Amino acid sequence: DIVMTQSPDSLTVSLGERATINCKSSQSVLYSSNNKNYLGWYQQKAGQPPKLLIYWASTRESGVPDRFSGSGSGTDFTLTISSLQAEDVAVYYCQQYYTTPYTFGQGTKLEIK
Amino acid sequence: QVQLVESGGGVVQPGRSLRLSCAASRFTFSSFAVHWVRQAPGEGLEWVALISYDGDNEYYADSVKGRFTISRDNSKNTLYLQMNSLRTEDTAVYYCARGRNKYEISGYFDHWGQGTLVTVSS
Repeated sequence: DIVMTQSPDSLTVSLGERATINCKSSQSVLYSSNNKNYLGWYQQKAGQPPKLLIYWASTRESGVPDRFSGSGSGTDFTLTISSLQAEDVAVYYCQQYYTTPYTFGQGTKLEIK
Repeated sequence: QVQLVESGGGVVQPGRSLRLSCAASRFTFSSFAVHWVRQAPGEGLEWVALISYDGDNEYYADSVKGRFTISRDNSKNTLYLQMNSLRTEDTAVYYCARGRNKYEISGYFDHWGQGTLVTVSS
């Protein structure tokens, strides 16, 4: 199975500041035939189901604010929130969908300083 | 707006069975793969199972293989998860989720239900 490891486990950032969450996979999730990284990011607010933010490592889902961006390739990925808003308080998960079993990172809890 | 509504959760003793349902609406259910994903209390997300749009292909996490069965009834726009030989570690909120792309086994999920809680306890 592909193991997904996020860092840090928790993060406290001031309003308006940048938040960066890292995700590392135990093997590459880059499919060479189409040059796509099979990596997604989800946001889960308290008491709610997860919400898709980013897929193919860097494609923002429709309706997601442009302060959210994804980057990286192969085994190392980053989710960046360029200017933190109060409504961004949540747990963030990366997920590989390169192969089953699809696996998630352990989550990063983002709070406001 | 795509809608997925889970039902069937509850409290069940270890070793017993339970069947979850997920009613889909406001999209062409028969065109999309669907998944079950679970979340133990206070824990992270665990993918459980996947079924292709036509029901011909199923995939499972090792933790549930041989005990859980995913199925669908496209005439009823409903997804199921039959859970047998339940263990305390199966206690979780179970979400159904839609794969993004039509007619593909998309492994990322663009719509989720609100979840149903399964508690396995004696």
